[in-house]
Formats: sequence, C-alpha cells, structure tokens
Amino acid sequence: EPEVTQTPSHQVTQMGQEVILRCVPISNHLYFYWYRQILGQKVEFLVSFYNNEISEKSEIFDDQFSVERPDGSNFTLKIRSTKLEDSAMYFCASRETGSPQETQYFGPGTRLLVL
Amino acid sequence: AQKVTQAQTEISVVEKEDVTLDCVYETRDTTYYLFWYKQPPSGELVFLIRRNSFDEQNEISGRYSWNFQKSTSSFNFTITASQVVDSAVYFCALSALNTGGFKTIFGAGTRLFVKA
Repeated sequence: EPEVTQTPSHQVTQMGQEVILRCVPISNHLYFYWYRQILGQKVEFLVSFYNNEISEKSEIFDDQFSVERPDGSNFTLKIRSTKLEDSAMYFCASRETGSPQETQYFGPGTRLLVL
Repeated sequence: AQKVTQAQTEISVVEKEDVTLDCVYETRDTTYYLFWYKQPPSGELVFLIRRNSFDEQNEISGRYSWNFQKSTSSFNFTITASQVVDSAVYFCALSALNTGGFKTIFGAGTRLFVKA
C-alpha cells in the first residue's frame, strides 16, 4: 500500500541552526501539508501546498518557515533559524485532491529537538 | 470558525471493558467531513474512519463503532471489549472546504489507557 515517508525520523539541532525536514508524498497525490505536534499537545496545521505554491498557512507558519517541492517527489519544510519552541513532531501529509472528503494520509513524523 | 472538542483528556479502563471517546465539533459549513485517528506510543497517526455530513449512519468495524449525531454535533467513538493494544491517544478531526480551506482541524486528543 502506498504511504507517505519522512526523513529523518529524529533530528537534534542547536538553536539558531537551519533544519530541513523531508517528505515523500504518495505518488499520485497533488495536495501536500505540514502539521506540527508539540509534545503532549494536539496536531496543528502549518501549511498546505498545491501546484507549487502555498494554498494556506497558519499563524504559526511565519517567515522562518518555508516549503518547497524541489523535484517531482520530495516535499520539504525548512526552518531557517530554529528556536527552542520549534521542538515538536512534524507530520507531512498528502491528499489526492483538494476535496476535504479525501483522507489525508500522514507520514510517520520527524521528531525535532532543538537544544 | 471550525473547532473540535474532545473533553476527555484521559480515560483509564480495564481490559475487556467498553469505552466511548467523545467528540463535539463546530462548523458553519453544511458539507464537512469527520475523522478519527489513533496515535500509538510510537507517534505515527493512524487513520481509523471518515464520515461525511450527509451520512449519519453509524458504522461498525470489528470492535470499533462510531456514532454520528448531527443534531448534537457529535461523532463519538466506542471500543468494545478493549484490549491493551488499544492504549493510545485518539484524535477526532474535521475538514470543511468553505470555512476551513484545505486543512484538517484536530481536537486535543483523548489518551486511553487499557490495563490488563
């Protein structure tokens, strides 16, 4: 069964460093998403991406965040200068179409720890 | 605005007990979709079910069942004869195009402990 994959599974970084989280969505999906889950809290929407541009972003997604689809398969989330409060699990998700009836399939997550 | 409320933060049951996880949602859309996800200790999000707003039929899948009541804006999840492997955090979620864009809104989650 096709699945969303994410790398790395865990990343530890120093405050102020840049990190890039990588995702490979399901191959025929066209809508891509990043979500964040701070430890013990709920899953929060960060950004949605379609047709090589951002469709929607949340208040959390400020100028230190960016997303890119550098080739036909990868979808990346870059955090330019990490802060302690960026420590969280980051989930990538993809959906075949933009219809909300379509299930979003989530990747296994990248656990980011900022020291 | 859209909102999903899971009032139960934690529930603890003994194996073989039935348990119901509550979910109440808010949306101005007439067309919307509701989901349940399971998050085991390993951290991944596992899709369990999707319902659309036009289909209020209850659904049963093995030991899992879902009760969708539009009149009370609730989408509750029942596990029958719970097992230790059911221990996880369960998230209810909502997706609606007109007021929610393309994103999914999650509730705060209910942590279920099933003791042997």
